[in-house]
Amino acid sequence: DTEVTQTPKHLVMGMTNKKSLKCEQHMGHRAMYWYKQKAKKPPELMFVYSYEKLSINESVPSRFSPECPNSSLLNLHLHALQPEDSALYLCASSQDIRGRGYGYTFGSGTRLTVV
Amino acid sequence: AQTVTQSQPEMSVQEAETVTLSCTYDTSENNYYLFWYKQPPSRQMILVIRQEAYKQQNATENRFSVNFQKAAKSFSLKISDSQLGDTAMYFCAFINSGAGSYQLTFGKGTKLSVIP
Repeated sequence: DTEVTQTPKHLVMGMTNKKSLKCEQHMGHRAMYWYKQKAKKPPELMFVYSYEKLSINESVPSRFSPECPNSSLLNLHLHALQPEDSALYLCASSQDIRGRGYGYTFGSGTRLTVV
Repeated sequence: AQTVTQSQPEMSVQEAETVTLSCTYDTSENNYYLFWYKQPPSRQMILVIRQEAYKQQNATENRFSVNFQKAAKSFSLKISDSQLGDTAMYFCAFINSGAGSYQLTFGKGTKLSVIP
């Protein structure tokens, strides 16, 4: 299995809602990442998890809350989002932090619209 | 800080022809990795090809090959025998090999259209 699976594929939420994005991989990778991608822009790193521990938080607002319950799963909890948070949210994984030279495997993303 | 520059926002190529996408980068590091990712309308970022900076030999993957010029900090992608399925956004990306380097730095992308 060489895939990173993200659910849901599309999500529309109001500014007062609480929702979660899910990411799963079964490649035995020990590093997982959340990226945010606005239209016609490159992805921007949000969080890095290494061995289920948060390694990097790129100054992301607290309305985004990541969680890594085990080595195969990565969640992104959303609360009180703003319309400008509308974007494609990509999950990625790599063998581990040191194995990132082999490249990341990305999921197909969740298209989030905040209304 | 590392930067990646893709100077061609959009390109087009006739089916079966060859096209080259350019990428330059700036770093003070000696050991790093370079990648080309493809993002079709399906949205998934797909790794096309990777290059290790300490290897002089240019990487190839079937119809895809790179021209890696370390001194010039250039990393171009050549697509031979272009196919309609190659239509996508192409991102050049860079990552240091040093400890503590987690950031995969992307260029702004080149939108490639393959014309039948």
